[in-house]
Amino acid sequence: EVQLVQSGAEVKRAGESLKISCKTSGFDFARYWIGWVRQVPGKGLEWMGIVYPADSDTRYSPSFQGQATISANRSTNTAYLQWSSLKASDTAIYYCARHYPKGSLQNMDVWGTGTTVTVSS
Amino acid sequence: QSALTQPASVSGSLGQSTTMSCTGTSSDVRDYDYVSWYQHLPGKAPKLIIYDVSVRPSGVSNRFSGSKSGNTASLTISGLRTEDEADYYCSIYISNSPPVLFGGGTKLTV
Repeated sequence: EVQLVQSGAEVKRAGESLKISCKTSGFDFARYWIGWVRQVPGKGLEWMGIVYPADSDTRYSPSFQGQATISANRSTNTAYLQWSSLKASDTAIYYCARHYPKGSLQNMDVWGTGTTVTVSS
Repeated sequence: QSALTQPASVSGSLGQSTTMSCTGTSSDVRDYDYVSWYQHLPGKAPKLIIYDVSVRPSGVSNRFSGSKSGNTASLTISGLRTEDEADYYCSIYISNSPPVLFGGGTKLTV
């Protein structure tokens, strides 16, 4: 069974760093793009960016370039989203999702349950 | 702002059908067939219900159907049930930057 299990909720202060995870199982992690999607409270879904674990290729939406860093660890089949200095505006639910089909970005067929990040100013 | 425009809300009665739209520009929805739809229930992970404009993933009810005409993709839900109340997002994959776009979402009330 394909699964994406995300790390738990985080409460941070502005300026702190954070790294959230998305541990996957049940598929060839290295050969699928893994994406991150943000949902600010009361707002819609926003595609942030992706990582291709086979070669760590990463791509970002222009809206999120430089705001956070996406990475992956092939040895643990885990993708990550991290911030070096959080802002109150980073408060949101963050979802990881597997892009499908293999090696492509056509859709996101399996999603993690989401990680709630709350940043106080 | 979303490059894909969805109505903020639609409604329908139990057992009836409803259709929601997703309007893009001539450089995305019209030219690409990688339109997907996601159902997002409160507190849950989004769920893929339609991909490649009109294909249902295994296990998704045949009450959900997708189509496209020109710059507009549509999701139709027939035989509405209370459990269909959710937010619905369209998305498209294009060979551009960013390669994936979401619409603003439509809240369905049954």
